[in-house]
Amino acid sequence: DIQLAQSPSSLSASVGDRVAITCRASQNVNNYLNWYQQRPGKAPRLLVYGVSSLQRGVPSRFRGSGSGTDFTLTINSLQAEDFASYYCQQSYSVPQTFGQGTRVEIK
Amino acid sequence: QVQLQESGPGLVKPSETLSLNCTVSAGSIGTFSWNWIRQSPGKGLEWIGYFYFTGTTGTTEYNPSLKSRVSVSADTSRNVYSLKLRALTAADTAVYYCARAPRPIGAAGHFDFWGQGIMVSVSS
Repeated sequence: DIQLAQSPSSLSASVGDRVAITCRASQNVNNYLNWYQQRPGKAPRLLVYGVSSLQRGVPSRFRGSGSGTDFTLTINSLQAEDFASYYCQQSYSVPQTFGQGTRVEIK
Repeated sequence: QVQLQESGPGLVKPSETLSLNCTVSAGSIGTFSWNWIRQSPGKGLEWIGYFYFTGTTGTTEYNPSLKSRVSVSADTSRNVYSLKLRALTAADTAVYYCARAPRPIGAAGHFDFWGQGIMVSVSS
């Protein structure tokens, strides 16, 4: 299985901050790397697919980047509704796997 | 807008079989990849398996860690797909989600629509 290691596991930030979450894969995932947001008690929501393509309806302050094994989700100008958990996921090979998650908390 | 809704029991006894359904509305399940994913505090998000239609037939793929106990099937006449997980233990306690992906794997293997999730507890 491809392992995905996210860092940090949690972070504290203020509204208006820029935050970056990284995801490192145990092997090349050929840019089949996706990001999800999950609010408490809710299902995950697709934000970014294929490293950097924004899902329809997702605000442009979310940006994905990276290649090969190292990827980053950046949130520019953090908004109140962005305080949530974020997960990366690889769709390169079966079994599809997820990172362990990053919780973004209010400072 | 595609909507998915899980249904099934919230409590199942150890060693029994869990059966869940996912009803898909506003779209046919005759295309796309239809997945089951679970989330538990101890193991995070775990992909379970999918059913994928290829023409008039379907293919399935399962997480090797669960392959001996799991099956996914689909009923196009009712627009429903299902999960069966056998020989349950406490470790199977989790929130179970159904989710759609445009394709099973690769560039379109992202999960773009999700159900709200159903909490399943395994306990006697």
